[in-house]
Amino acid sequence: EAQVTQNPRYLITVTGKKLTVTCSQNMNHEYMSWYRQDPGLGLRQIYYSMNVEVTDKGDVPEGYKVSRKEKRNFPLILESPSPNQTSLYFCASSPTVFWPQHFGDGTRLSIL
Amino acid sequence: GQQLNQSPQSMFIQEGEDVSMNCTSSSIFNTWLWYKQDPGEGPVLLIALYKAGELTSNGRLTAQFGITRKDSFLNISASIPSDVGIYFCAGPTNSGGSNYKLTFGKGTLLTVNP
Repeated sequence: EAQVTQNPRYLITVTGKKLTVTCSQNMNHEYMSWYRQDPGLGLRQIYYSMNVEVTDKGDVPEGYKVSRKEKRNFPLILESPSPNQTSLYFCASSPTVFWPQHFGDGTRLSIL
Repeated sequence: GQQLNQSPQSMFIQEGEDVSMNCTSSSIFNTWLWYKQDPGEGPVLLIALYKAGELTSNGRLTAQFGITRKDSFLNISASIPSDVGIYFCAGPTNSGGSNYKLTFGKGTLLTVNP
């Protein structure tokens, strides 16, 4: 089954404790991206990747890092999480077009 | 960055009614996208529009790419309870070379009363 898998689905952690949200897709898609969703603000793009070793900032990249060492994986790294990064995060992928076609089920992060 | 203004913010309708929502921008877009997000799930791509004036249907959904290229419209005919969710418009903008950022509207929350 074609899917985008995010882990963990839920996480409560504390300020400053580094964390990684993994994202994996099994469709051999080139384009992957990360979004955060906040009430009243909709979805905002954090980072995207056009292919392996090619990444670029979206609209809200501050406080986040990404890497794309393999085509299937696109982890989101919070080196020093802060409470304003409490949000619902989505990873997405698509084969060649520059916008997401398949979204993961989301990761709800709470930073205390 | 780019901003997309989506309206209405929310709608409460009776089953069977038709629905219209729209998205506007101060900038030109070459592609318009419409997504739906069911409660507790990730968004799903409904329709992609690539040309000014284009009208595209997906079942009971019809979307149009405005001729000014600064707006787009989504219509749902004969709504049913499973149409409930948040509908987002989105558009990619070129951020240099072959790189594209994606901007979303804030969404229209649709509630359908059976």
